[in-house]
Amino acid sequence: AQKITQTQPGMFVQEKEAVTLDCTYDTSDPSYGLFWYKQPSSGEMIFLIYQGSYDQQNATEGRYSLNFQKARKSANLVISASQLGDSAMYFCAMREPNAGNNRKLIWGLGTSLAVNP
Amino acid sequence: KAGVTQTPRYLIKTRGQQVTLSCSPISGHRSVSWYQQTPGQGLQFLFEYFSETQRNKGNFPGRFSGRQFSNSRSEMNVSTLELGDSALYLCASSPGTGGSNQPQHFGDGTRLSIL
Repeated sequence: AQKITQTQPGMFVQEKEAVTLDCTYDTSDPSYGLFWYKQPSSGEMIFLIYQGSYDQQNATEGRYSLNFQKARKSANLVISASQLGDSAMYFCAMREPNAGNNRKLIWGLGTSLAVNP
Repeated sequence: KAGVTQTPRYLIKTRGQQVTLSCSPISGHRSVSWYQQTPGQGLQFLFEYFSETQRNKGNFPGRFSGRQFSNSRSEMNVSTLELGDSALYLCASSPGTGGSNQPQHFGDGTRLSIL
């Protein structure tokens, strides 16, 4: 069965430093997509970045980048130059393989990131 | 462009009651998915609706149901509420067709508390 694992329940980082949040996934399907979302204490889930299994390059979006290691089945999120507003829960999710047009996402349990001033 | 709107934001019910949650997707989006989020289980997929039809369903009992209207707005209903139904219910919308790289866009959620 497909599964997402985030092994870091909580992380601390100093403001302006970089931080890596880990995500490993398990699927036997060669075609899949991986998403990272941010959830502040307000509750809204905010899309950050996407990586497709066939993408040749690691995804980047502003201060967010993905360290995608397909052979290791890992898709770690790197946040550069952390800001106080980055304090939130971060979730890794995988679009269900062979889903066709279905939009079901499988989620990890998240990592709580605290940015210290 | 307005985002996904969920109402109400907070709800308190007692065991045995039923509840209806509402979700208005981003204009033009035809797919609406519902998720339940609890501290212990994380986010779990409830169901997805596309063009008024349920396209996918998670592993929840029949007490959880939903529907989608012709304007893509969706409602989720939970009958015979149990204490374990206390959770944040998130609605997400996407165009529903096209590339698999389309992200889902989420509302602020409805926080349901069962007494």
